[in-house]
Amino acid sequence: DVVLTQTPLSTPVTLGQPASISCRSSQSLVYSDGNTHLSWLQQRPGQPPRLLIYKVSNRFSGVPDRFSGSGAGTDFTLKISRVEAEDVAVYYCMQATHIPHTFGQGTKLEIK
Amino acid sequence: EVQLVESGGALVQPGGSLRLSCAASGFSFSNYYIHWVRQAPGKGLVWVSDMHGGGGGITYADSVRGRFTISRDSAKNTIYLEMNNLTGDDTAVYFCARGTTGWRGVDYWGQGTLVTVSS
Repeated sequence: DVVLTQTPLSTPVTLGQPASISCRSSQSLVYSDGNTHLSWLQQRPGQPPRLLIYKVSNRFSGVPDRFSGSGAGTDFTLKISRVEAEDVAVYYCMQATHIPHTFGQGTKLEIK
Repeated sequence: EVQLVESGGALVQPGGSLRLSCAASGFSFSNYYIHWVRQAPGKGLVWVSDMHGGGGGITYADSVRGRFTISRDSAKNTIYLEMNNLTGDDTAVYFCARGTTGWRGVDYWGQGTLVTVSS
């Protein structure tokens, strides 16, 4: 199975400051269609996951533009340009290039 | 509006069985994959199984293959997860999520249903 390793596992951030989460894959996530099927999900406390970013860098419907994704091959990054209180959550990367789909361990974003 | 509503979670003894349901609405069920993903208390997300709403395309995680069976009732726009020979490791919130079209992944998630395996 593809292993996704997120760093850091926890990140305290001051309101209004940027945040960055890394996701490294044990294998290339480029699919046979040429696309890279790496997504980012947000899970607020007590809530189900919510899709933020798909295919590395595409924001899903309704996602604020302070969220952005980047990367290629095996290394990916989620960035929040200015953290707001509502961004307190656990963030997961997920790959759907290979079967089974797999998730990173999660990164907990807290307000400093 | 896309909606996925899970039900069927309960407290069950080790070795027991349970059937979860995922009722879908707000989209053309037969055109999408539906996935089951679980989350043990305080832990991360783990993909379990998926199936195409139109039938077929079934896959399972190694940890549940041979014990869990996914199926559908297209008339009810519902996906089921039949779980047998349950152990404490199966204790989790089970989410269903809609697979995407045009790219691989999941987009909308249900609220989840809790399965607790304990004597």
